[in-house]
Amino acid sequence: AQTVTQSQPEMSVQEAETVTLSCTYDTSENNYYLFWYKQPPSRQMILVIRQEAYKQQNATENRFSVNFQKAAKSFSLKISDSQLGDTAMYFCAFMLVNYGGATNKLIFGTGTLLAVQP
Amino acid sequence: DVKVTQSSRYLVKRTGEKVFLECVQDMDHENMFWYRQDPGLGLRLIYFSYDVKMKEKGDIPEGYSVSREKKERFSLILESASTNQTSMYLCASSLGFTQYFGPGTRLTVT
Repeated sequence: AQTVTQSQPEMSVQEAETVTLSCTYDTSENNYYLFWYKQPPSRQMILVIRQEAYKQQNATENRFSVNFQKAAKSFSLKISDSQLGDTAMYFCAFMLVNYGGATNKLIFGTGTLLAVQP
Repeated sequence: DVKVTQSSRYLVKRTGEKVFLECVQDMDHENMFWYRQDPGLGLRLIYFSYDVKMKEKGDIPEGYSVSREKKERFSLILESASTNQTSMYLCASSLGFTQYFGPGTRLTVT
């Protein structure tokens, strides 16, 4: 069975600084996707960034980037130039890729609550 | 723009009541999901559906059932609500690997 671990329940960062959120996962499979989702206070969960396991290049979306270490089963999220609007719960998630027709299910970590301080 | 809506943001029900949570998506997505979110536990999958009238159990299906009569609508049913079902319930839909979430329903069972 796959598991996702986020060891930092809460983090804080000053506005304009850089912060890294940690995520590790466990799987014996080789074909999977990894995600970071963001849930702002009282707002909808949205996708921040996605990484395909077969890609060596780390994914980047504007101020958000990942450090994907497949051998170490690590998938950290770096937020550069932090903004007040980045304050949210961040979830790391794993999806086993299945091309056999079955639905692809997400397995979530327990989340990291990030507070960006002015 | 992608849109997933849920029938209520907040709901208070009594123990033993039958509870319906509705989710609607307007993106013609094949797959729909129901999760519950609890502090310190993250999101856990209750049920999912990959087509109309098709459903599969997730990790915590006990005490819940689902219904998908139309492609755009996926309902979560608590047959007899209990206090341990007090939680935030999130619906999602997907086409491919990205899931799109609704705003959530915070259910309190007293």
